[in-house]
Formats: sequence, structure tokens, C-alpha cells
Amino acid sequence: NAGVTQTPKFRILKIGQSMTLQCTQDMNHNYMYWYRQDPGMGLKLIYYSVGAGITDKGEVPNGYNVSRSTTEDFPLRLELAAPSQTSVYFCASRPRDNQLETQYFGPGTRLLVL
Amino acid sequence: AQSVAQPEDQVNVAEGNPLTVKCTYSVSGNPYLFWYVQYPNRGLQFLLKYITGDNLVKGSYGFEAEFNKSQTSFHLKKPSALVSDSALYFCAVRLRNSGNTPLVFGKGTRLSVIA
Repeated sequence: NAGVTQTPKFRILKIGQSMTLQCTQDMNHNYMYWYRQDPGMGLKLIYYSVGAGITDKGEVPNGYNVSRSTTEDFPLRLELAAPSQTSVYFCASRPRDNQLETQYFGPGTRLLVL
Repeated sequence: AQSVAQPEDQVNVAEGNPLTVKCTYSVSGNPYLFWYVQYPNRGLQFLLKYITGDNLVKGSYGFEAEFNKSQTSFHLKKPSALVSDSALYFCAVRLRNSGNTPLVFGKGTRLSVIA
């Protein structure tokens, strides 16, 4: 299986434009996450989902929206891009079983807002 | 609230020497603890985890970490560093049996192994 895949790998946006970052996993994981990574700041959680139809805000949700219509897909939407959203975005997933706690990460999407 | 501290932004070590990357945590109960590694332009990869049982956890690529409850620490170690170990390392914590509470990550420590 492919694991967690993210598209696009890189994107340049103009201020005010919108876009959707795609994330798909083929491991039948219930839990999915979106993080952003800024230099020297580690990973900050944007949104997460514990199953289809259920989403919750993380630490930095402002300016973003998500949906989870299927188990496999967890797209992240930027409605009005701002320079502060320049970052690397990572999607991750994990199974529900607490003994299988490991999160699996996608390769990331690098976003530049100018 | 859960938190993780990685006190060193950068760790430099000579190839062949032992390495330690430090991590301390804060949770209001028993933790699940993790180490992840990130190579340049890649996503995070799981390295090892402590869930329960033996305090010394062995993981991928010869890394190990010791859970120390009294010091609330989970330092990452390797007896002999390789140049290929150079990467960004993240410690993460989650409160055990906390349902769907997400992992909390530290800021990361950049390890540089010099030949």
C-alpha cells in the first residue's frame, strides 16, 4: 500500500487565493491529522478527525477548513491565503487501537504565499 | 495539559561517538512517548515508542530511549553515531487512555554528526 499521500508537493499562491491540500491514506485508519511545520517551531496541529464526518480544531485552526466525507480522504482548505500561511504542511494518520499508537506521516506539501 | 520540551535546538557529535538527544515531558498522568525523525525534504518517520512495560525501548537504526518517570524524561540515545543519523528529531507525548487526544510534539532537535 502507498501509506499517506499528499498533493501537491509544492505550490505558490498569491495573497487572497484559495486552494485545497489533498491527503489520502489507504491503511483504513480512523484518525487523521493536519500539521504545519515552521522553522524552529516544530509541528503545530491544525485540525484532526477521528472518523468520517467528525472533525475537531487543533492548536492553530484559523484560516483553514477541513472535511472528512470518507475514511480515506482528509482535505485541508485555505480560503483566503495569507503570507502567514507560508509553511510546510503534513498530513498524518493512525489506527484507533491505542496499542497501535504510531502516527504515519505523508511527505508534505510546501506552500509559499506571496 | 500536555507538553514536551526539547532543550537543545542543535546537537553536534563526532561520528562513532555516543549521542543523546534530550526530551522532557509534562502530562497529568501516565504518558505514551514517541520519537520521530525527519530527513531533509521528507515527512516524519516513526523511530520508537514507550507505551508500557520495560523502561528501555529499542527502536529503528540502533536508537534507544529510556523512560524515566521520576525525571519525566525520555532521552534518545545511540552508542555510536553515524553521519547518516544527521536529521531533525522530534519527541512527542500523549496522555495514556485519553481517548482521541492528539500527540503533542516538541520543537525538534537538529542532530549533526560530523565525520
